[in-house]
Amino acid sequence: EAQVTQNPRYLITVTGKKLTVTCSQNMNHEYMSWYRQDPGLGLRQIYYSMNVEVTDKGDVPEGYKVSRKEKRNFPLILESPSPNQTSLYFCASSYTGGDGYTFGSGTRLTVV
Amino acid sequence: SQQGEEDPQALSIQEGENATMNCSYKTSINNLQWYRQNSGRGLVHLILIRSNEREKHSGRLRVTLDTSKKSSSLLITASRAADTASYFCATDNQAGTALIFGKGTTLSVSS
Repeated sequence: EAQVTQNPRYLITVTGKKLTVTCSQNMNHEYMSWYRQDPGLGLRQIYYSMNVEVTDKGDVPEGYKVSRKEKRNFPLILESPSPNQTSLYFCASSYTGGDGYTFGSGTRLTVV
Repeated sequence: SQQGEEDPQALSIQEGENATMNCSYKTSINNLQWYRQNSGRGLVHLILIRSNEREKHSGRLRVTLDTSKKSSSLLITASRAADTASYFCATDNQAGTALIFGKGTTLSVSS
C-alpha cells in the first residue's frame, strides 16, 4: 500500500531532550516536507526536500533540523525541544512538489 | 504566509443534502487542491485542479476554479455522515516547493 509512515504517533518529552520523528515513504517520491498544525494557525511548513541531500527551510524552521540521506526517509530532528514546539506534526510527500501530497497520520508532540 | 481562506468556517447539514465550501486566495497559482482531515488524523488528498481548468469532478465531488476571482468551490453531493471532517484548500507557491493551506471548513453531517 502506498503510504507515508510517521513514528511515533504520540510523544511526550521534556524540555531540552533531543528527539527525532521519523518519516518514510514507499512511493519513490522525490519531494518530502514537514508541516506543523496548530489551532488558529493552521498548517505551516517547517522544512522541505526536493531530492536526496537537497533540503530547504519552510515558513517556521527555527528549532528544527532535517536530513535526506535516502530518498524514502526524511526525519525531523528537534535538538532542544521547547514547549512552543508542542504541536501536531505531519510529514508529506509527492512526486514533484507541484502535485497532490500524501500525508502521514501525524505525530502529536507534547513538550513539558 | 496564508494563501487560501475557506468559507464558511463551519457547516452543519443533514445526510443527503449537498455541502458547498468556498476558498479564496490572493496570488496567482499553478494549481489548487482540496484535502480532507478527519479529527486529528492525516490529510487526505481529494482533488487537484490546474489553473487552466474550470471544473473537475471526482465521484460525489465537484470542484470549480475561477482564476479571475481567485476563488474555488468544493461541492459534495448527497452528503453522508462519513463526510464529517475538516476540508482545506491549498495552493502551491510559485516555486512549487510548498502547499499553502487555508484554515479549513469544518463540515458536520448528521443522520
